[in-house]
Amino acid sequence: RKEVEQDPGPFNVPEGATVAFNCTYSNSASQSFFWYRQDCRKEPKLLMSVYSSGNEDGRFTAQLNRASQYISLLIRDSKLSDSATYLCVVNPFSGYSTLTFGKGTMLLVSP
Amino acid sequence: NAGVTQTPKFRILKIGQSMTLQCTQDMNHNYMYWYRQDPGMGLKLIYYSVGAGITDKGEVPNGYNVSRSTTEDFPLRLELAAPSQTSVYFCASRHRGQEEKLFFGSGTQLSVL
Repeated sequence: RKEVEQDPGPFNVPEGATVAFNCTYSNSASQSFFWYRQDCRKEPKLLMSVYSSGNEDGRFTAQLNRASQYISLLIRDSKLSDSATYLCVVNPFSGYSTLTFGKGTMLLVSP
Repeated sequence: NAGVTQTPKFRILKIGQSMTLQCTQDMNHNYMYWYRQDPGMGLKLIYYSVGAGITDKGEVPNGYNVSRSTTEDFPLRLELAAPSQTSVYFCASRHRGQEEKLFFGSGTQLSVL
């Protein structure tokens, strides 16, 4: 099982739709989880951290399920500007220096 | 505030040539990283550094070298370039204790022909 797995997509959705991505991780001891966003040919940028209790940032909601070892990202009321690749990122150990990146899920929002 | 600056943005190398990818950050970050990203693939860690004078190998270090003589600079050296090193290279940095907030440079597109 790969360390961090994501459905590569693309997810094609119309504007205004709700879309959800999942990401599974293999290391049950993983401590921290994040979603990064990467626009085409650009550098990744932090979208949001994922907390155990779940968290929301505007139209974006992140959830963590430790028992099943997956995290999710829900985007409501999709905008054209949401079109990007969403990277699932895991810190395997507390205080560990490096992060493990998934390959990303591509989202395409159409008018 | 420039953040993380990478140069060059694009480069074409011939097989066997060498080059250095430059990375500098002005945020006084302790941790710096070099990643490569191949099409359709995730970011692979090449080397990282937790402070000046300290470097460590990541997942894919073969064919690369790094140094960290100052807090600001973290150059990546390619010796004897090979086609397998064709990729997009990203430098990143962060503060110790802020594990989630990686700041990335804009990347270097490298082709080895």
